Amino acid sequence: DAKTTQPNSMESNEEEPVHLPCNHSTISGTDYIHWYRQLPSQGPEYVIHGLTSNVNNRMASLAIAEDRKSSTLILHRATLRDAAVYYCILKGIYNQGGKLIFGQGTELSVKP
Amino acid sequence: DTEVTQTPKHLVMGMTNKKSLKCEQHMGHRAMYWYKQKAKKPPELMFVYSYEKLSINESVPSRFSPECPNSSLLNLHLHALQPEDSALYLCASSQVVREYGYTFGSGTRLTVV
Repeated sequence: DAKTTQPNSMESNEEEPVHLPCNHSTISGTDYIHWYRQLPSQGPEYVIHGLTSNVNNRMASLAIAEDRKSSTLILHRATLRDAAVYYCILKGIYNQGGKLIFGQGTELSVKP
Repeated sequence: DTEVTQTPKHLVMGMTNKKSLKCEQHMGHRAMYWYKQKAKKPPELMFVYSYEKLSINESVPSRFSPECPNSSLLNLHLHALQPEDSALYLCASSQVVREYGYTFGSGTRLTVV
């Protein structure tokens, strides 16, 4: 599975949108883009995943660039409970029930 | 039930002890995983079980011994650990045949003294 690059940390204000970037220039055509987050003292939590098209769910939106070399996780209205480490992970389409390999992630802090 | 339950939440053990970590899920997931996480680091994959069979061992030392007695249960047996093995041990599960999110437990905080 290809590598991802994320900023080490980001800051946001409460109730404002947050855009968390991820670069994956070596992504292959069969790699899914997954996002997880880990709140303090908890296990990672699945946020969203996508392949080519933008995706929305109750937690967030995932915007995927047309060339798929980058993606952005969008939290529409940050709350204090969104402060966490956010991981962008590539996982091969044929790697089902297989490895989910975490990179360093982005530590998001949210200011009241 | 949409949770992965790990017990115990905290464990302190001596270097000569034998202990086990337990992980349980009732979501019908047929893939289960053990991860190790040191402070301020991302989780590192240790083992993957698929349909109750060990499919991936990430070159983990033999003092860690995984076991999958049935499709809902995953154990990690610990023996003769070192202080550097102190970490948060996370269990996760997922479907095998569909691309889907993994569900993680809250982990067992292990301290080796």
